[in-house]
Amino acid sequence: NAGVTQTPKFQVLKTGQSMTLQCAQDMNHNSMYWYRQDPGMGLRLIYYSASEGTTDKGEVPNGYNVSRLNKREFSLRLESAAPSQTSVYFCATTRGQVPETQYFGPGTRLLVL
Amino acid sequence: AQSVTQLDSQVPVFEEAPVELRCNYSSSVSVYLFWYVQYPNQGLQLLLKYLSGSTLVKGINGFEAEFNKSQTSFHLRKPSVHISDTAEYFCAVSEATGRRALTFGSGTRLQVQP
Repeated sequence: NAGVTQTPKFQVLKTGQSMTLQCAQDMNHNSMYWYRQDPGMGLRLIYYSASEGTTDKGEVPNGYNVSRLNKREFSLRLESAAPSQTSVYFCATTRGQVPETQYFGPGTRLLVL
Repeated sequence: AQSVTQLDSQVPVFEEAPVELRCNYSSSVSVYLFWYVQYPNQGLQLLLKYLSGSTLVKGINGFEAEFNKSQTSFHLRKPSVHISDTAEYFCAVSEATGRRALTFGSGTRLQVQP
């Protein structure tokens, strides 16, 4: 089992360009999350999906959209990238039951010029 | 809403010495507490978690943490560190109900020196 996979691993964008970050899990988990990691700030929640067909905003949703395509896949889209979105993006999953252990993907490093 | 404070951004320590990484939290509801570790260029992986019961929790790689409700702390300890423990450590809390997403501290970089 691959666990949680993310594509791409690295990406360089110009300001105003769009892109989609992909996340897939083979753990049959219900809940999926997108976080961004910035130096000195830990990880901050962008969006999450408690189950297929549902999404909700996290702490820092502005400038992002998400799609829970099916139980396995949860994508994050930047419609018009800005330099402030330069970050490392992590996808995570949980079964959706209490108590929680989150399983993280390897991350996507994004640089917006 | 909850928050997590990790006061030490970096902790240098010599190999085989003991180490303590500090974590304090605040929350108006019941929470679960976690420590995650991030090795260079990797995702996060769970070290240990406190859910309920015994306040001393043991995790992987010889780490342990103690939940102190009166001081709202969840400090991580290891009696003897190895070079391979060099990594960034994140304390996190999640609500016991609701969205259950994690709120992370800003991280502590543990640098183990020979």
